[in-house]
Amino acid sequence: AQSVAQPEDQVNVAEGNPLTVKCTYSVSGNPYLFWYVQYPNRGLQFLLKYITGDNLVKGSYGFEAEFNKSQTSFHLKKPSALVSDSALYFCAVRDMKPGGSYIPTFGRGTSLIVHP
Amino acid sequence: DAGVIQSPRHEVTEMGQEVTLRCKPISGHNSLFWYRQTMMRGLELLIYFNNNVPIDDSGMPEDRFSAKMPNASFSTLKIQPSEPRDSAVYFCASSFIYTAMNTEAFFGQGTRLTVV
Repeated sequence: AQSVAQPEDQVNVAEGNPLTVKCTYSVSGNPYLFWYVQYPNRGLQFLLKYITGDNLVKGSYGFEAEFNKSQTSFHLKKPSALVSDSALYFCAVRDMKPGGSYIPTFGRGTSLIVHP
Repeated sequence: DAGVIQSPRHEVTEMGQEVTLRCKPISGHNSLFWYRQTMMRGLELLIYFNNNVPIDDSGMPEDRFSAKMPNASFSTLKIQPSEPRDSAVYFCASSFIYTAMNTEAFFGQGTRLTVV
């Protein structure tokens, strides 16, 4: 089975500073990777995905993620953090299930706190 | 489209009572997922449907849990009888999975269940 790991439960960053939220993956075959964000009392929202092509993927709200095959990582980044970016961030991988369906398998989540 | 719609948003019930959570997926999506989110376990996949057919319910914790999808626009998750340890936020998500490329899921806002 495919899996992702988010090694940090929480990331703290000052507003205006760059941020990185880490994710490593374990897959057999080509990795299909995703980032989602969850704001308080809301469902998860899709941010971006890596399927193939450029290793730097751009997504919503100024976020981007860098795919690194040699390090099996897919870290989420933003050049300048905003207080409003404070949320829970989930890394996910496509996993093939019985019946040929592809479903997202999520990491534990990382709480991002951006301080004013 | 209004997105994935879940009802109710909040549910408080007494132990032993039956609880029914409802979900309307995005029109045209062919896959539907039920997840449970708790602080201890994170985001757990309970069951998923493909073209209204349950494909994998191995994540359903006990026989007290059941899910149905009578048509492409409606699904229910039922807990009978409910127990305090079932207290969690339950998310429904839908996706369009005819190819492996487009597997991002769209989430509802969740139902916060409290069993007292």
